[in-house]
Amino acid sequence: AQSVTQLDSQVPVFEEAPVELRCNYSSSVSVYLFWYVQYPNQGLQLLLKYLSGSTLVKGINGFEAEFNKSQTSFHLRKPSVHISDTAEYFCAASAKLTGGGNKLTFGTGTQLKVEL
Amino acid sequence: GAVVSQHPSRVICKSGTSVKIECRSLDFQATTMFWYRQFPKQSLMLMATSNEGSKATYEQGVEKDKFLINHASLTLSTLTVTSAHPEDSSFYICSATGDRGEQYFGPGTRLTVT
Repeated sequence: AQSVTQLDSQVPVFEEAPVELRCNYSSSVSVYLFWYVQYPNQGLQLLLKYLSGSTLVKGINGFEAEFNKSQTSFHLRKPSVHISDTAEYFCAASAKLTGGGNKLTFGTGTQLKVEL
Repeated sequence: GAVVSQHPSRVICKSGTSVKIECRSLDFQATTMFWYRQFPKQSLMLMATSNEGSKATYEQGVEKDKFLINHASLTLSTLTVTSAHPEDSSFYICSATGDRGEQYFGPGTRLTVT
């Protein structure tokens, strides 16, 4: 079974500073990786995804992530954060993507808190 | 595109009553829908997988008689919390998958049982 680890439960950062949110996954033959953002009392919004191809994935709101197979990591980065980036971020993995949909395994989440 | 709605967004009910939550895919047909619950400051816990026209598949530890799931059409799935108790208070989120299998999430329903 897939497992996803987000080691940092909270990451405080000053506005305009860079940030990296870490995510590691258990190795699988075919793995698809996702980062979601959740604002308070809201559902999840997809930031970016890695399905195949280029290991550097660019998403919305200036975020990007790099798939590193040898380190089984998919860390999320942003070069300069804004107050509005304060939210909970979830890394997720799916073993296989099919038309019927496959289960996502979520990490425990990282609370990004951007301070002035 | 790929919008998923949930209704209601918030509901308060008394202990012992039942509550129905709807999940709709607004602009696509969802072959599969998932139901999650999320406790405060925790991750999403998958409750069940729902396929149109068939019985839902529940995760281990989830009571299927308490959390009734109906997937009557390709755009609608419902979760009914029967005989709700305060410990059922939670944030319930659904997701729907299109023909490529990607999950699109609804905005969630905050259930409070008093």
